[in-house]
Amino acid sequence: DAGITQSPRHKVTETGTPVTLRCHQTENHRYMYWYRQDPGHGLRLIHYSYGVKDTDKGEVSDGYSVSRSKTEDFLLTLESATSSQTSVYFCAISVGPSYEQYFGPGTRLTVT
Amino acid sequence: EDQVTQSPEALRLQEGESSSLNCSYTVSGLRGLFWYRQDPGKGPEFLFTLYSAGEEKEKERLKATLTKKESFLHITAPKPEDSATYLCAVGESSNTGKLIFGQGTTLQVKP
Repeated sequence: DAGITQSPRHKVTETGTPVTLRCHQTENHRYMYWYRQDPGHGLRLIHYSYGVKDTDKGEVSDGYSVSRSKTEDFLLTLESATSSQTSVYFCAISVGPSYEQYFGPGTRLTVT
Repeated sequence: EDQVTQSPEALRLQEGESSSLNCSYTVSGLRGLFWYRQDPGKGPEFLFTLYSAGEEKEKERLKATLTKKESFLHITAPKPEDSATYLCAVGESSNTGKLIFGQGTTLQVKP
C-alpha cells in the first residue's frame, strides 16, 4: 500500500467553524491532490499541488484553501464550514501528471 | 469538455458469470485512462493504466482494454470478493495531472 495517511478520519463540526484536514505521505511524490466524493457526483477535484508551495484550483475549489510547506504534507482548510461541505474527502499522490494516483483512506466530515 | 460516462450503474452477477463494464470518454488529448476499485468505506485502489488504443492489461480475473472512445473492464468467472464499485478516470488533456472520474459501476457477485 502507498504510504498515505489522512487525519482525522472522522470529524463532526458546526457550521461556521474552520476545519483543517491533513494528508501525509511517505513516498516523496511530487503531486498531491484533494478530492471530495458525494453520492451522485462521484470524485471531484478540489485542489492539487505540483510541488512545495505550488498549488492550483480544481473543479470545486470555492470555500476551500490548501497549503503545502513540505513535500510530505498537504493541508486542506475549510475557512468557514457549511453543510454543503459534508462529504468524504480523499487525498491522492502521484509521481507525475500522466501517472496513476494512489489514494488515502479518506476523512468523513459532517457539518451540522 | 472532458467527460467520462460509465455503464451500467449497477451490475449483479452470479459467481462464475463473466461480464464487462464500460467506460466511455470524451477528451481532446488522452493522458491515460485509469481503472480503480473502491470498497465501501475505503479509498479507491489503483488497478490499471492504459495509454493508447489497442492496449490491454490483465490482473487475475480482470482485463482492461482501450479503444479511441471507450474502455472495457472484463471480469472473467467473478467471485464474491470481486464485489465493489469500479471507477474509471481519464487524465485531463491539459496534462496538469487532474483526473476526470466517471460515476462508477457497483458490482455485486452472488455465490
